[in-house]
Amino acid sequence: GENVGLHLPTLSVQEGDNSIINCAYSNSASDYFIWYKQESGKGPQFIIDIRSNMDKRQGQRVTVLLNKTVKHLSLQIAATQPGDSAVYFCAEIYYNQGGKLIFGQGTELSVKP
Amino acid sequence: DAGITQSPRHKVTETGTPVTLRCHQTENHRYMYWYRQDPGHGLRLIHYSYGVKDTDKGEVSDGYSVSRSKTEDFLLTLESATSSQTSVYFCAISETPGIGGYTFGSGTRLTVV
Repeated sequence: GENVGLHLPTLSVQEGDNSIINCAYSNSASDYFIWYKQESGKGPQFIIDIRSNMDKRQGQRVTVLLNKTVKHLSLQIAATQPGDSAVYFCAEIYYNQGGKLIFGQGTELSVKP
Repeated sequence: DAGITQSPRHKVTETGTPVTLRCHQTENHRYMYWYRQDPGHGLRLIHYSYGVKDTDKGEVSDGYSVSRSKTEDFLLTLESATSSQTSVYFCAISETPGIGGYTFGSGTRLTVV
């Protein structure tokens, strides 16, 4: 079924530490995944995406890992900063349904100074 | 967010009244989506559009209708608002699903009393 979810609803880290946010998905046919960041009172903001023919993709301070065997995604944030405090969502695409995104419930990241 | 505007930003309405939310884009993207966001549910797709006059239902379409008479505008109508439709509504646009991220608007906070 359509199920994209996150293992932990909240994550608290110390400024400067690395953060890892996890996501499980159930649709083995999904081939495109996106991570979004949402700050309070704002819409989701694109962070990074990855296709199923890759197992790792890096951006600026962020890395997404994809493990298709266990249907698991993770978002790693290096040297976490107070400005990284937000809710993070993973999403998978359904091409046969207008390219809709199915979102996980989100993980709230809190960065302690 | 650049290129996408939602209006109104906030609205309070009474149960049983019709309400229309507007999403306006200046990016000339083909695909437009309406999502609602509720605590514990993440973002859920209401309706989407893949072109002018081309729309389809999402996961939570009951009680909602949409219209897209021109590329830049996608309207969401609550035919007879209920308290269960109190939520934050987000519009998103995409040029080509699966290529690049989707851009979200800033949201409309709707309260039905």
